[in-house]
Amino acid sequence: AQSVTQLDSQVPVFEEAPVELRCNYSSSVSVYLFWYVQYPNQGLQLLLKYLSGSTLVKGINGFEAEFNKSQTSFHLRKPSVHISDTAEYFCAVNKETSGSRLTFGEGTQLTVNP
Amino acid sequence: ETGVTQTPRHLVMGMTNKKSLKCEQHLGHNAMYWYKQSAKKPLELMFVYSLEERVENNSVPSRFSPECPNSSHLFLHLHTLQPEDSALYLCASSLYWSGTDTQYFGPGTRLTVL
Repeated sequence: AQSVTQLDSQVPVFEEAPVELRCNYSSSVSVYLFWYVQYPNQGLQLLLKYLSGSTLVKGINGFEAEFNKSQTSFHLRKPSVHISDTAEYFCAVNKETSGSRLTFGEGTQLTVNP
Repeated sequence: ETGVTQTPRHLVMGMTNKKSLKCEQHLGHNAMYWYKQSAKKPLELMFVYSLEERVENNSVPSRFSPECPNSSHLFLHLHTLQPEDSALYLCASSLYWSGTDTQYFGPGTRLTVL
């Protein structure tokens, strides 16, 4: 079975600062990797996903993530955050060989302060 | 309406009540999902329907009963719930039941069991 660890439960940053949200996974087989964002009182929305090819993936709202197979990581980055990026961020994995059975991490609350 | 909608948005019920949660997707998707989101825990996949057939049941107690009458609608029937069932219940859909497909989430139903 696969598992996902989000290393920080809360990340406070100041507006316009860079941010990195860390995600590590474990799996005995190849996986697809996802980052979702959840704004208050809303459902989850896909930020980006890695399926194959280039290990640097660009997503919406200026976010990007890098897949590192040797370190089994998929960290999310943004060079300059805005107040509106305040939300909870979830990393998720799905085995390549199965249907859609996402395994989620516990989430990281990003709070952007003025 | 566009995307994935869920009704009601909030529900308070006693342990002996019977209620139903409704999900509707307007995306032409063929797979639908129920998730449970509890505080401080990762999202838990409960049920998956693909082409109106249940393909996943993650050891969910029988007091939760899903129904998928067509590819656009998904219900979660609730009876004899416990206080620990209080959570945010999220519905999602994807084009197909495939590990590469993006899941689109509704805003959720906040359930409180007294």
